[in-house]
Amino acid sequence: KNQVEQSPQSLIILEGKNCTLQCNYTVSPFSNLRWYKQDTGRGPVSLTIMTFSENTKSNGRYTATLDADTKQSSLHITASQLSDSASYICVVSSLDSNYQLIWGAGTKLIIKP
Amino acid sequence: NAGVTQTPKFRILKIGQSMTLQCTQDMNHNYMYWYRQDPGMGLKLIYYSVGAGITDKGEVPNGYNVSRSTTEDFPLRLELAAPSQTSVYFCASISGTGNTIYFGEGSWLTVV
Repeated sequence: KNQVEQSPQSLIILEGKNCTLQCNYTVSPFSNLRWYKQDTGRGPVSLTIMTFSENTKSNGRYTATLDADTKQSSLHITASQLSDSASYICVVSSLDSNYQLIWGAGTKLIIKP
Repeated sequence: NAGVTQTPKFRILKIGQSMTLQCTQDMNHNYMYWYRQDPGMGLKLIYYSVGAGITDKGEVPNGYNVSRSTTEDFPLRLELAAPSQTSVYFCASISGTGNTIYFGEGSWLTVV
């Protein structure tokens, strides 16, 4: 069964610190993996999208990595800011049907001053 | 280019009432989706459409219906509303090349 699991479920860090969020998936055959940021009460906003051949992709202070062999991805946030407080969601697509999106439950990140 | 537009933003329904959540996109996207998100939980797919005239069930379709008569519009119909349908509903669309997913602002629905 195609699944996406994220860890940790929640994380609290101090402003200015770095953190890494994990995403493991069992989706096969793999097409692409997206990371989304969702602020409370808002729709998800795209951070990165990576295909099979991409190992890393950055978007400002956000850097996503992908290991297609181990079916793992991580999202690293550098020099965290209060505005980074949000849920971060990993979404994987299968080559069988690119429009079928398998969503992780998300990691709730809280940045404290 | 307004992106994905959802209406209404907030609605309170009584048990047994019916309503339609409207979703429109102006990006000529083929794929459209309806999700619900319960408090503290991830998104769950209700229905999706790969083009005008084509719809299919997602993970949690019971109690809902959809139609896709045009590329732009993908309304979600709630029949006989139940308290379990209290949730935030998000409409989304994606182009055929499957890159960025565009989301509406969400519709907060409470069934009492």
